Amino acid sequence: DTGVSQNPRHKITKRGQNVTFRCDPISEHNRLYWYRQTLGQGPEFLTYFQNEAQLEKSRLLSDRFSAERPKGSFSTLEIQRTEQGDSAMYLCASSPPLTVNTEAFFGQGTRLTVV
Amino acid sequence: QKEVEQNSGPLSVPEGAIASLNCTYSDRGSQSFFWYRQYSGKSPELIMFIYSNGDKEDGRFTAQLNKASQYVSLLIRDSQPSDSATYLCAVDGTDKLIFGTGTRLQVFP
Repeated sequence: DTGVSQNPRHKITKRGQNVTFRCDPISEHNRLYWYRQTLGQGPEFLTYFQNEAQLEKSRLLSDRFSAERPKGSFSTLEIQRTEQGDSAMYLCASSPPLTVNTEAFFGQGTRLTVV
Repeated sequence: QKEVEQNSGPLSVPEGAIASLNCTYSDRGSQSFFWYRQYSGKSPELIMFIYSNGDKEDGRFTAQLNKASQYVSLLIRDSQPSDSATYLCAVDGTDKLIFGTGTRLQVFP
């Protein structure tokens, strides 16, 4: 499978715990995005990497959230001290280089439930 | 703040009919526009993108763009029950996509 891969697919955690999600983009894609989606809403942008550089972060990304892409390949999104409001689907997407458009291909998502 | 507006629906159409999904956007400088399909509990799947005024056809799908009116639409011809999903409109917001809330389409037999 050469698509975007996310792990885990589902995560249930207790409030206050830390969680980490992983995203493996399509191999030739140098651009990687994290989005969050709650029920009845469209995906909301969280952060963007070009290769290993984090070029943009949304105001939605509080200081409890951190994302890395250390070697320009896979990325991780960590949420510290989770809150019930963090419950959502976390989506990773990637885009190829040197394109005019920002067409993005999404992974299956990680559904987080904070209890 | 750039915004993308969609009617949340549901839009109900009979099998074989044309489904018309609409989207407006606030940033007149937007250049590229995307339609994604999202089945319940699944991730968004890219259907089409368009960046020139006019129509772009791909199989049963036609995207229409009118930059003067800041309006994008998606037509689905010969709608099938398998087309029942939420359709997300997205606009290129410089290094990211800005999504609408999506329109839920129901195609009944």
